[in-house]
Amino acid sequence: GAGVSQSPSNKVTEKGKDVELRCDPISGHTALYWYRQSLGQGLEFLIYFQGNSAPDKSGLPSDRFSAERTGGSVSTLTIQRTQQEDSAVYLCASRGLGRNEQFFGPGTRLTVL
Amino acid sequence: GDSVTQMEGPVTLSEEAFLTINCTYTATGYPSLFWYVQYPGEGLQLLLKATKADDKGSNKGFEATYRKETTSFHLEKGSVQVSDSAVYFCALRVNAGGTSYGKLTFGQGTILTVHP
Repeated sequence: GAGVSQSPSNKVTEKGKDVELRCDPISGHTALYWYRQSLGQGLEFLIYFQGNSAPDKSGLPSDRFSAERTGGSVSTLTIQRTQQEDSAVYLCASRGLGRNEQFFGPGTRLTVL
Repeated sequence: GDSVTQMEGPVTLSEEAFLTINCTYTATGYPSLFWYVQYPGEGLQLLLKATKADDKGSNKGFEATYRKETTSFHLEKGSVQVSDSAVYFCALRVNAGGTSYGKLTFGQGTILTVHP
């Protein structure tokens, strides 16, 4: 595809449920990032995948959050036992090898009731 | 750790006014600096970038100069338009030596509204 795509665009869930958010990066991009945009915290880094290297998970806020990247392409961010403070827009970005620019997807708006 | 501080908003201007949005940073290593823009209802887009000291990034009439001595990357535009109304984010990426190479660290964002 032409850009980074994310699904679903909107997700409403009940407190305590698990959710999975999907990101399809730009074809050929080796680096993939997850960020979270919320009113109280602004834009925060969550996790970073680079090729076959171990991911940088330093931004994950708790052990309820995890992410994987299968085959060096599609990534899934999983939030277990969702809490109301998890409500935010979750953004995915990808970057080509040796390039500076990260290209962002449209985001998934998560609402936890 | 790395951090970015942006001028607080919101900023409200009349069309054709001069715009400055201040941005200062603290970083380990040698950061690349970016301005991203988020138009209403849209995703984040890269507006401009600078990868080393004294570089000037420019795009769509916007400019920002990487000032290492003042650790700043202020965004400027000489004559704003209604279509520039958006949220602007200053960001940095550490290029080497940092523990989280590759991630972007963002400022809190500045809402700009331009009136006709």
